[in-house]
Amino acid sequence: QKEVEQDPGPLSVPEGAIVSLNCTYSNSAFQYFMWYRQYSRKGPELLMYTYSSGNKEDGRFTAQVDKSSKYISLFIRDSQPSDSATYLCAMSGVNDYKLSFGAGTTVTVRA
Amino acid sequence: SQTIHQWPATLVQPVGSPLSLECTVEGTSNPNLYWYRQAAGRGLQLLFYSVGIGQISSEVPQNLSASRPQDRQFILSSKKLLLSDSGFYLCAWRFFWRGVYEQYFGPGTRLTVT
Repeated sequence: QKEVEQDPGPLSVPEGAIVSLNCTYSNSAFQYFMWYRQYSRKGPELLMYTYSSGNKEDGRFTAQVDKSSKYISLFIRDSQPSDSATYLCAMSGVNDYKLSFGAGTTVTVRA
Repeated sequence: SQTIHQWPATLVQPVGSPLSLECTVEGTSNPNLYWYRQAAGRGLQLLFYSVGIGQISSEVPQNLSASRPQDRQFILSSKKLLLSDSGFYLCAWRFFWRGVYEQYFGPGTRLTVT
């Protein structure tokens, strides 16, 4: 069993729809949770991060962490074609030197 | 502000040739540095990480090596490339800021071994 599980998709939605992305994990020591967006042939860019449980909102993006269920989510409201990318979840414990990544979900927003 | 550079951006090398990829960061000191590989259609594979000059930890035994000759310089090398070394190589750095760890990636080097 992988430490971080992420549905690879692909996910195709019409413009304006809500995109919902999820990851589950098995390591209860994880405290830092991140979402990266990666456009084709580019390096991943840090989109959102949260510490421990709760929600965080930034514009059209909302990140949620449910540590009791070991489940994190990223929601993209009013999706745009420019949101078409691969989204990777990542997480680590407080004293970890490295992140554990999901495999990434490829999202296409249709105009 | 902090910036991470990688070069070259693209590289085509024959099997058996050597490799040297360089990564430098600006605007910070003593960062944790990482090398990842992303094969086509696959996730990120951590290859090496470094917490300081001359300190290298290897995650996967393979045909590659890494060095950190200066605080903000991280180099990925190979003496003889294999076909399986093809992929997208990403350098990343991580630092503690405002109570959390943040990790950022460079633009990547796309390596094709022929």
